Amino acid sequence: GQSLEQPSEVTAVEGAIVQINCTYQTSGFYGLSWYQQHDGGAPTFLSYNALDGLEETGRFSSFLSRSDSYGYLLLQELQMKDSASYFCALRTNAGKSTFGDGTTLTVKP
Amino acid sequence: GAVVSQHPSRVICKSGTSVKIECRSLDFQATTMFWYRQFPKQSLMLMATSNEGSKATYEQGVEKDKFLINHASLTLSTLTVTSAHPEDSSFYICSASSGGFEAFFGQGTRLTVV
Repeated sequence: GQSLEQPSEVTAVEGAIVQINCTYQTSGFYGLSWYQQHDGGAPTFLSYNALDGLEETGRFSSFLSRSDSYGYLLLQELQMKDSASYFCALRTNAGKSTFGDGTTLTVKP
Repeated sequence: GAVVSQHPSRVICKSGTSVKIECRSLDFQATTMFWYRQFPKQSLMLMATSNEGSKATYEQGVEKDKFLINHASLTLSTLTVTSAHPEDSSFYICSASSGGFEAFFGQGTRLTVV
């Protein structure tokens, strides 16, 4: 089976940088995805890492270390609208994902 | 990105009735669709995986006779919650994949069984 661990809550101030960590256990690995979900909404795709290293998409970056079974999502220049839940998800075959429990990010002025 | 439309966005039904939720990929062919359930403040739990033209594969603990999934075409999958009970009240979300690494989510359906 698969399991993921991420912090339940993170708080940061506007303009700051925040890192959300995710450690995982899996028997078969295809990639690690990150999703953002606002209250009452559906998840939206943020980033995906299949290989080690950093992927940058605007203010968001995601990092993966397969040897450490570890990844993180980095959010820069935080804005109030970034307050949401962030999920890491293990991709195990075409599109199928196992989600972590989510990290609630609160951005304060 | 690709668009997945889920309908209805909200539904209230009486206990014992059935509810059908549709998930459509609007601008791509979805070879695989996934159905998730999410309780408040919790993670998304995969219920089943459906491939066009074949029977859905259900995750352990999900009742296939209660949650009927039909993936009749490359753009449409439906989830029918049969004989709904209050404990089935939840947020149901579909996602669709054309085989790449990214799966696109629908808007979700909030089901309330009264």
